[in-house]
Amino acid sequence: RKEVEQDPGPFNVPEGATVAFNCTYSNSASQSFFWYRQDCRKEPKLLMSVYSSGNEDGRFTAQLNRASQYISLLIRDSKLSDSATYLCVVISGGYNKLIFGAGTRLAVHP
Amino acid sequence: NAGVTQTPKFQVLKTGQSMTLQCAQDMNHEYMSWYRQDPGMGLRLIHYSVGAGITDQGEVPNGYNVSRSTTEDFPLRLLSAAPSQTSVYFCASSYSYGASYNSPLHFGNGTRLTVT
Repeated sequence: RKEVEQDPGPFNVPEGATVAFNCTYSNSASQSFFWYRQDCRKEPKLLMSVYSSGNEDGRFTAQLNRASQYISLLIRDSKLSDSATYLCVVISGGYNKLIFGAGTRLAVHP
Repeated sequence: NAGVTQTPKFQVLKTGQSMTLQCAQDMNHEYMSWYRQDPGMGLRLIHYSVGAGITDQGEVPNGYNVSRSTTEDFPLRLLSAAPSQTSVYFCASSYSYGASYNSPLHFGNGTRLTVT
């Protein structure tokens, strides 16, 4: 079993739709969680951190469920510019203990 | 502010050739690392450094060497290229080794390497 698992997608949604991605992790000692966004043939960029209490940044909401060991990302009112691959990142120590998921691809169409 | 700069952007090597991928950051970051990204897999850590003069192996270090003689630079050397090293390579840095929400990873824009 992979340490961090994501549904690879693609998720094909129309503009304005709400879409949610989940990411499960196997190490219960994991401490920090992030969502990164990666555009085609570009580097990953931090989208948002995931706090224990859940957090929101505009149209994006991230949640953590430690009991079930998953994090989620909800995107409301999808835009064409949201089309990208979303990488789940889980850390169980220093940055050398950072594990990336393989990513979930989102395609938003007109 | 250049951030993390990687060169070259593209490279084609023949099996057995050696080369160095360059990475430099101008943010005075303590932590630097190299990842490779292959289709269907998450980024995997090759080598990392927590400061000048200190390096250590990551998940997939075989066939690669690194050095950290200055805070700014962290080159990755391929000793004898193999087709299995065809991949996209990313350098990343952070203010501190200790992962925290206040100290995220910053990535360079990647090097696409093909080994024939």
